Formats: sequence, structure tokens, C-alpha cells
Amino acid sequence: GAVVSQHPSWVICKSGTSVKIECRSLDFQATTMFWYRQFPKQSLMLMATSNEGSKATYEQGVEKDKFLINHASLTLSTLTVTSAHPEDSSFYICSAEPGLAGGSSYEQYFGPGTRLTVT
Amino acid sequence: GNSVTQMEGPVTLSEEAFLTINCTYTATGYPSLFWYVQYPGEGLQLLLKATKADDKGSNKGFEATYRKETTSFHLEKGSVQVSDSAVYFCALGGTSYGKLTFGQGTILTVHP
Repeated sequence: GAVVSQHPSWVICKSGTSVKIECRSLDFQATTMFWYRQFPKQSLMLMATSNEGSKATYEQGVEKDKFLINHASLTLSTLTVTSAHPEDSSFYICSAEPGLAGGSSYEQYFGPGTRLTVT
Repeated sequence: GNSVTQMEGPVTLSEEAFLTINCTYTATGYPSLFWYVQYPGEGLQLLLKATKADDKGSNKGFEATYRKETTSFHLEKGSVQVSDSAVYFCALGGTSYGKLTFGQGTILTVHP
């Protein structure tokens, strides 16, 4: 159980275009989803936290107008990289946390990641 | 703020060798501690966790003990296998709703 999928697994786009990445929890409902960025040989950097039905909370230094996050349902969150540039090339990973009455369980289930290359 | 520091990698071992990956943390409050593993081409998977001081998390032969006095959560395995080759991340949670703070990751390669 507790499977999270991401689509696409990799994408190449031209500079200036927008790319949408989907994150789905397949067998549980996720009240909270997280988006991370991972640079080569580096750790995961949290970009934003999204809760179903509300606006995402972005970490300091992350441009919310560039990285649009929508958490439309309890099983789907999307990250749209708008007007992509080569420096946005990275590995984007989502995670989902099952709903827990009374607070967070801190158990996150991670998607396999999406490799974005902007040319 | 919260931070997690892992030992520098990469770590290269022969099969059946003993493994230790050091992890220390800085946090306010009483965090939960986690080890995640990322196999090649896959997403992160929770390996083990501990939610309070002196707890020992264990899974698949791996162990880590939450040491509050030394603010550490070192990962150990008595006999590694080639299939353990992966990137291991130490993480901290529990001080800011849902958020995890990750260490930089340690690449482990096990040779036959």
C-alpha cells in the first residue's frame, strides 16, 4: 500500500514553455502533499506544502508565480513550472501524507520523481 | 532552525561488511527521526523511524537509535548486501507540521 505516482517520469521542454507534473496517491487520501527539488548529488529541498482545497505554502526563496501548485483533490496535486528556463532543470519529487486525525504523522510516501530538462 | 548533517560519502563496502552512516541533528522541541532510502531510479522509501529519545528503529537488518544526549541517529547494519546499494537520507520531522528536513544523503555502494 501507500503508493504515490508521478507523471511524467521525465520531460524535455523548450525554454519559455510551461510544464505540468502530476502527483497522485493511488491507494490512500492525502490531505497534505509536498513538492521537493533534488539537485544532482544533493539533498531534497522542500519547495512547497499543499493542502487539499487551499493555497500552497511556499518555502522562502521559491517563486510561487513560477512554480504553480494545485491540490484539487485528496489524491492529486500538480506542479506547473511556468516559463521554464534551463536553470529550472532538475529532479522534482512529490510526497504525500495520509490524513491523520489530530495532526501530522510525519510519514510521507514519495513519488519516483520527474526529471525536467529545459533546453 | 532545524538541520541534519550526515557523514560525507560515498561509502564503498564489500559484501558482509559492517555499515555505519552517521547522522546528527539540530532541532527545537522533540523531533521524530527517520532514515529514508532511495534505490537507483526509484523514489524515497521510509526505512525506519524513531519518535522519541532512546527509541530504536529497525527494518531489513538496519537499525538506528535516537540519542538525545548526542543529538544523533546513526544508521547501522551488521552485514551489508549488494542490494543495499542506494542513497540513504537521514531526516527530521515533528517540529513544523508535516515538514521534513533532510540531510544531504550518503551514497552507499556494496561490492560482491
